[in-house]
Formats: sequence, C-alpha cells, structure tokens
Amino acid sequence: SQQGEEDPQALSIQEGENATMNCSYKTSINNLQWYRQNSGRGLVHLILIRSNEREKHSGRLRVTLDTSKKSSSLLITASRAADTASYFCATDPYTGKLIFGQGTTLQVKP
Amino acid sequence: DGGITQSPKYLFRKEGQNVTLSCEQNLNHDAMYWYRQDPGQGLRLIYYSQIVNDFQKGDIAEGYSVSREKKESFPLTVTSAQKNPTAFYLCASSNGQGGETEAFFGQGTRLTVV
Repeated sequence: SQQGEEDPQALSIQEGENATMNCSYKTSINNLQWYRQNSGRGLVHLILIRSNEREKHSGRLRVTLDTSKKSSSLLITASRAADTASYFCATDPYTGKLIFGQGTTLQVKP
Repeated sequence: DGGITQSPKYLFRKEGQNVTLSCEQNLNHDAMYWYRQDPGQGLRLIYYSQIVNDFQKGDIAEGYSVSREKKESFPLTVTSAQKNPTAFYLCASSNGQGGETEAFFGQGTRLTVV
C-alpha cells in the first residue's frame, strides 16, 4: 500500500518559473523526505523535514509540512533545465520502513 | 569513496530461473532496503533489514528472498515464483531505522525476463 501520493503526476514549465509539487499521506509520520530521480538512475536525497517542523529551505528548494492536513509541498524556485527529473516524497510512519509515493515528473523547458 | 553499489546494471533472466541481484555498501549503515520500480511508477518496498541477520517483508515480498549475513551486503534473489519480475530494482541504505535519516541509493539493476 502506498503511503504518499504526489500531485500533479506530471508538470511542464519554462526555465525560470517556479515548480510546486504536493504530497499527501495517510498515517502519522516521524518525518517526510523528498528525493529526486533522473531517468534510469537511483534516487538522490533532497531534504528531510521532521514532524515538528513546518518549513525548511535548502538552496532553491523550499519544503513545507502540514501534519494536520497530512500534506507536504516541494517548491523549486527559478527552475533550470537540469531540474528535469522525477520527484518523490517518502514517509516514515513509525514502522521502520521508508514508504515512497508515485512521484511527480517535472519537465523544465529551456 | 563511500557509497552503495548494485550489480549488475542489466540482467536478463530466462523464465523459470532464479537470479540474484547484488547490493553492497561501505557506509557502515545498519538499515538496508530493496525496492521495485515499474515504468512510470513509484517505488514499492520488497524487503528491508534493520540489522545484520534480521530482515522483514515489505509490501510485495512474494517471489523474492533476501539474506543479511554481513552488515555491508544485502543480496536479493528473484525466484521463479515471481510471475512478473521485469522491473528496475533499487537498493538503499540508511544510518537509522525507517526514515530517521536520509537513504542512499544504488544506481539500480534493470532485470528483464527473456
């Protein structure tokens, strides 16, 4: 069973625009993470936000977490063509597992 | 260089054969995971191990087996009982249980049944 669901499934924007992806989950979590995957490659960790945090920044990335709504968003500002990839949220529902959502495929057009 | 290594990158299996995918890490991580990814899909958890000599089933363990005899190694065997094994397999490790800390991923093994 999938814990997280990303929205939208696909997103296409122009270089320089901002990209926002959302993640919803079902049960209480210890923390939530965002990962990036280039086509045919492994995943790379972007950012981890703990359940007692509401917002976190890392470079051009901004992540928010709303535990009351069981949702998180990832904002990539001033996007670049190199940001083209799939983005996944992953949650730790206090089970020792790391559960991934279906992902958002982002295309940034030059 | 510290990291997590999967081999081979591509693997072809005849129907009815068992195949073993290798995953090795030199990060001294306790936890290791195997995921399956189908085209355009997310990652589904096959097995995970939080400590040497112990492992648990994930959401789609049927047709797969693992072992964790050494901290640095977590091989996955895809058995003939797995009816649709063609997929991209990803191994990961982390220095903590579940999602306490970031997970590091290998580059994946693409398995194709011929």
